[in-house]
Amino acid sequence: DVVVTQSPLSLPVTLGQPASISCRSSQGLVHSDGNTYLNWFQQRPGQSPRRLIYKVSNRDSGVPDRFSGSGSGSDFTLKISRVEAEDIAIYYCMQSTHWPQYTFGQGTKLEIK
Amino acid sequence: QVHLQQSGPGLVKPSQTLSLTCAISGDSVSSNRAAWNWVRQSPSRGLEWLGRTYYRSKWVNDYADSVKSRITINPDTSKNQFSLQLKSVTPDDTAIYYCVRDPFHSYDIWGQGTTVTVSS
Repeated sequence: DVVVTQSPLSLPVTLGQPASISCRSSQGLVHSDGNTYLNWFQQRPGQSPRRLIYKVSNRDSGVPDRFSGSGSGSDFTLKISRVEAEDIAIYYCMQSTHWPQYTFGQGTKLEIK
Repeated sequence: QVHLQQSGPGLVKPSQTLSLTCAISGDSVSSNRAAWNWVRQSPSRGLEWLGRTYYRSKWVNDYADSVKSRITINPDTSKNQFSLQLKSVTPDDTAIYYCVRDPFHSYDIWGQGTTVTVSS
């Protein structure tokens, strides 16, 4: 199985400041079709995960543009340009290149400093 | 707009079978453009894919090695839903269970989640 590792696991932030989460995979995530299937999810307390980003850098409808994804190969990053109170949540990356077993990172808890 | 609505008991006794259902609205379980998955979440295992069912001229199921001997996922075209059965449960199967749509190499729609506790 592909192992996905996030860092940090806890990220204290000041509102209005940027935040960055790293995601690394044990195997490259370039699919034979040329796409890289790396996703980011946000999970607020008591809620189901919500997809924010797919194929490394594509934002889902309704996702604020302060969220951005980047990276290639096996090294990826989620950035929040200016953290707002509603962004406090756990963030997960997930590889969906190697199927059927898509795998998730451990999660990064974004909290107020 | 696609919506997944889960149903099923929140408490299961050890050695018994966990059974959950996911009703689909706004899409079809028989769609040839989606796969229908079960994922669980627990503090010890994190988010863990369990299995999926999908239709591509015939029905196909894939299961995670960790549960392969105990799991069955079935589509129900008459009710446009799919189900999860996990046999011989132990307290280690205590988790939040989600049904999830995979439109192609991603998970875009999640059910509301069902907290299942395995306890006598």
